[in-house]
Amino acid sequence: QVQLVQSGAEVKKPGASVKVSCKASGYTFTSYDINWVRQATGQGLEWMGWMNPNSGNTGYAQKFQGRVTMTRNTSISTAYMELSSLRSEDTAVYYCARAVAGTRGVGYWGQGTLVTVSS
Amino acid sequence: EIVMTQSPATLSVSPGERATLSCRASQSVSSNLAWYQQKPGQAPRLLIYGASTRATGIPARFSGSGSGTEFTLTISSLQSEDFAVYYCQQYNNWPPEYTFGQGTKLEIK
Repeated sequence: QVQLVQSGAEVKKPGASVKVSCKASGYTFTSYDINWVRQATGQGLEWMGWMNPNSGNTGYAQKFQGRVTMTRNTSISTAYMELSSLRSEDTAVYYCARAVAGTRGVGYWGQGTLVTVSS
Repeated sequence: EIVMTQSPATLSVSPGERATLSCRASQSVSSNLAWYQQKPGQAPRLLIYGASTRATGIPARFSGSGSGTEFTLTISSLQSEDFAVYYCQQYNNWPPEYTFGQGTKLEIK
């Protein structure tokens, strides 16, 4: 079965960077885009961007351009999302996610990684 | 940038009754729309994609309709497990891009 397992919670200081990992299993990693979505406490879902694990091509939401980098290591079926210049407003749960085959509906989600930005 | 607007922000409905949630796009998204359910402490769950196609395992009481800029999620007879927050999401095929609505909280009346 498809599984996306994310790295554990992080606490960072303002101005620092964080890198969250997402290990995929149960399918061919290079066959489906990985998306990253975040959710601040009590707030809605915010799409950050996508990455094609086969080509490494990426696309970022305008809000995050210049601060986010999405990469992958195909040998270990793992995607990464790095967010730099952290500020308190970046405190959120970060999810990696994948669409259902043949659709754009995002049907597979990681368990989420809480990133706390605090001085 | 396409903006997705959901209404109402909160909907109070009694179990067994019908719930109707709305989602409006700032410009046409054709049928490139999905609906998600999210419960506290959980990742979102895909309900509907392509505006009207139920995802695998989703009960028939959930239905989606609409195209262009106006969309509706209907839950025909609310069960206790349906009380949650619901999000609509538009997606662009190329380049891949997603935008979520702000959510509708469905609460027990």
